[in-house]
Amino acid sequence: QVQLQESGPGLVKPSETLSLTCTVSGYSISSDYSWDWIRQPPGKGLEWIGNIFRGANPYCNPSLRSRVTISVDASKNQFSLRLNSVTAADTAFYYCARRLPGGDWFDPWGQGTLVTVSS
Amino acid sequence: QSVLTQPPSVSAAPGQKVTISCSGSSSNIGSHYVSWYQQLSGTAPKLLIYENNERPSGIPDRFSGSKSGTSATLGITGLQTGDEADYYCGTWDSSLSGVVFGGGTKLTVL
Repeated sequence: QVQLQESGPGLVKPSETLSLTCTVSGYSISSDYSWDWIRQPPGKGLEWIGNIFRGANPYCNPSLRSRVTISVDASKNQFSLRLNSVTAADTAFYYCARRLPGGDWFDPWGQGTLVTVSS
Repeated sequence: QSVLTQPPSVSAAPGQKVTISCSGSSSNIGSHYVSWYQQLSGTAPKLLIYENNERPSGIPDRFSGSKSGTSATLGITGLQTGDEADYYCGTWDSSLSGVVFGGGTKLTVL
């Protein structure tokens, strides 16, 4: 059974960097799936942040690309998100999920973690 | 403003049927698979339909999906109070080179 779990600070100060890690269990992160980040501001809809595939070639939403870094630690079966220069608009639930390229459906999802940007 | 357009809310009585629409364009729904997600209050989204009309294991056949041109539809029959949730459609967008979602539809079972 594939499971994903997000971890990281729940509070980040404005202008600083948000860092989250997604730990994958039950499946190799080096497989033929894409490993993605999605966020959801409280009470609002879903926004795709970006992905990494086969441990390389990270790709990000053009609206966030200048601030986002996605990387993989295959030895720990984890992938990570860094979002720099955060503002209050980056306050959201952050989810990691597995995606099938081509089919482009997400399953499973992590439980999500709320990151609040505030001084 | 979401790339895909969904109605903000729909409602129906228990036992009835409801449909949720998702409208896009040729660069997204018109040329890529659509998936649907159910998000119960306070939980992560859950895959409901993939590749337009396929159900993952464990999803009852009360849930169905269809696609025609640049629009997709989620259907739910035999509504139950436990179906109250937010529903999102998603797909790839070739112009944006990324995944796009609808704004979400809140289902109320009266």
